[in-house]
Amino acid sequence: GIQVEQSPPDLILQEGANSTLRCNFSDSVNNLQWFHQNPWGQLINLFYIPSGTKQNGRLSATTVATERYSLLYISSSQTTDSGVYFCPLITAGNKLTFGGGTRVLVKP
Amino acid sequence: DAGVTQSPTHLIKTRGQQVTLRCSPKSGHDTVSWYQQALGQGPQFIFQYYEEEERQRGNFPDRFSGHQFPNYSSELNVNALLLGDSALYLCASSPSIGPEAFFGQGTRLTVV
Repeated sequence: GIQVEQSPPDLILQEGANSTLRCNFSDSVNNLQWFHQNPWGQLINLFYIPSGTKQNGRLSATTVATERYSLLYISSSQTTDSGVYFCPLITAGNKLTFGGGTRVLVKP
Repeated sequence: DAGVTQSPTHLIKTRGQQVTLRCSPKSGHDTVSWYQQALGQGPQFIFQYYEEEERQRGNFPDRFSGHQFPNYSSELNVNALLLGDSALYLCASSPSIGPEAFFGQGTRLTVV
C-alpha cells in the first residue's frame, strides 16, 4: 500500500525558532493536505497543496509532486504551534492515507 | 457554518459491549469518512459513505459498520468491543467535487 514517511518524528523548538517538516510519498502525488493536531485531538486544516507553494501567515508549504515530497515551514514558532503535524495523501475517492506524524514541542 | 460535529466527545464502554458514534458533516458536504487513531499513531481509514452507501473500506473487521442518513449525517457502530478498540475516532467530511477533507473534534473511546 501507499506509504507516507514523515521526518523528523519528533522536534523540540525554542519559541521564535524556524523549522522544516518533510513528507516523502511512495506513490505519485495528486492531492495532499497538511494538518495540525492540537493537544485535544482536533485536526486543523493548514493547507490543501497538490503542487507548488502556499503561505498562510507564519506557515508555508511546498509540494514537489514529480519528486514525491512535501515540506512545511514554520517560522518564528510559538507555543501554540505545539502538537502533531500530518500530511496525508489523498487517493481515489477522497481517502486519506496518513503517516506517523511529526510531534512538535515549542518551549517558551 | 458549524463545521463537522461529532458526538459524544468521550465514552467509556466495557469489553463485549456495542457502541454507536455520530457525525454531522460540514454544510454542503455529502461524503463522510471515519478514521481510527490509536495513541501515538496516525489515523487509519475505516470506511467512507456517499449517497447512503459504503463506498470504500479499509482493513477493519466486520464488527465495524456504519450508516449514512439522507441528511448526510453518519453513524459508526462497533460490536463486541475489544480492549484494542480504545482509540480516538475521527469523522471527516468532504464535498463530492473537490478532495479537501475537514475533521470533527473526535470521539475518544475507552474500552475497559
